[in-house]
Amino acid sequence: QVQLQESGPGLVKPSETLSLTCAVSGYSISSGYYWGWIRQPPGKGLEWIGSIYHSGSTYYNPSLKSRVTISVDTSKNQFSLKLSSVTAADTAVYYCARQGINPHNWFDPWGQGTLVTVSS
Amino acid sequence: QSALTQPRSVSGSPGQSVTISCTGTSSDVGGYNYVSWYQQHPGKAPKLMIYDVSKRPSGVPDRFSGSKSGNTASLTISGLQAEDEADYYCCSYAGSYTNVVFGGGTKLTVL
Repeated sequence: QVQLQESGPGLVKPSETLSLTCAVSGYSISSGYYWGWIRQPPGKGLEWIGSIYHSGSTYYNPSLKSRVTISVDTSKNQFSLKLSSVTAADTAVYYCARQGINPHNWFDPWGQGTLVTVSS
Repeated sequence: QSALTQPRSVSGSPGQSVTISCTGTSSDVGGYNYVSWYQQHPGKAPKLMIYDVSKRPSGVPDRFSGSKSGNTASLTISGLQAEDEADYYCCSYAGSYTNVVFGGGTKLTVL
């Protein structure tokens, strides 16, 4: 079955760039669907960050768009997130997930999530 | 403040039914039939329970059902079981600019 696994640094300094990768197994990214990033600050709700298609087409949360870049590497069957100029407010568990084709914006399955803390 | 409004908590006894509401606007919930619901147990990733308002993915018990009326979507869980105790989030398509919005989440307690 489809499985996703996030990886990347668990600690990022303020003003620096957060970088995460999501490795997909059991399904080829090139076969279809969108692939998304969602985050959850400790004790709070979910926030969609952005999504990418295998062709490289992206769309982002307007509130984060100026700081977010999502890219895809079909040869490695993975996609990545970069969030620049981070602050403590960006501390969260970051999830990657397979996403239905817009506007069918369901997310399934999800990776286990990775906690990223922004602190000096 | 989340784009979609959910009650912070609901509760019910085993065997009973509970309904969780998700209120948006005509620009999201009311404008499209693309509402999904997620169950999240503590320390775990969310799990898709309902998509496209009322469709259940394979493996989700038919005790879980979804519906929509106007700008409000609802998740109903019938025959409550202890393992249903979790946080539940709704999510909706919100047009080509905003795209995806989530609710603030509802904590379900099984008494």
